[in-house]
Amino acid sequence: GDSVTQMEGPVTLSEEAFLTINCTYTATGYPSLFWYVQYPGEGLQLLLKATKADDKGSNKGFEATYRKETTSFHLEKGSVQVSDSAVYFCALNTGSARQLTFGSGTQLTVLP
Amino acid sequence: GAGVSQSPSNKVTEKGKDVELRCDPISGHTALYWYRQSLGQGLEFLIYFQGNSAPDKSGLPSDRFSAERTGGSVSTLTIQRTQQEDSAVYLCASSSVSYEQYFGPGTRLTVT
Repeated sequence: GDSVTQMEGPVTLSEEAFLTINCTYTATGYPSLFWYVQYPGEGLQLLLKATKADDKGSNKGFEATYRKETTSFHLEKGSVQVSDSAVYFCALNTGSARQLTFGSGTQLTVLP
Repeated sequence: GAGVSQSPSNKVTEKGKDVELRCDPISGHTALYWYRQSLGQGLEFLIYFQGNSAPDKSGLPSDRFSAERTGGSVSTLTIQRTQQEDSAVYLCASSSVSYEQYFGPGTRLTVT
């Protein structure tokens, strides 16, 4: 079945540091890929998405590129802020199963 | 416009009691999903409704769990004879034809 493997946390960075959270996947079809973010005390929010190979999703300074050859969708941000502290989830869905399959989540803490 | 709403936000129940959790999706969204978020299992898919089609119940963990969606809108997730391992945050999401899922704030269920 489909699965998502996500870099284990927690990750602690200083403000303005570079962020990478690794995500790789296994899927039987051609998945759409997503990053969701969960801020403290809030629900899941879609951060960005990519629906086909070589697509780059971007939002709020975060980027991720759909790499079919390495089955990866790593999340990056050039300069993190304290307000980026949250849990980040990589996820996928495929045409045959619209439900999302999630990674285990990565807790990010950004220190001032 | 209004997002996905869920009620109650918190529910504490005794082991063996039945509980009902409610989800109001975004107006016009034809698809509705239930997920469970727990410390040990991460984010798990439970059930999926699409329009008038038969629901995909493949993620329900046992026959104590059931869900219905009335009038293609509001959904209720029912857990019968609750067990301590049912303690989790239950998340509802809805989507339109774009398949981007929008999540509600969740219901935190605690079984004592």
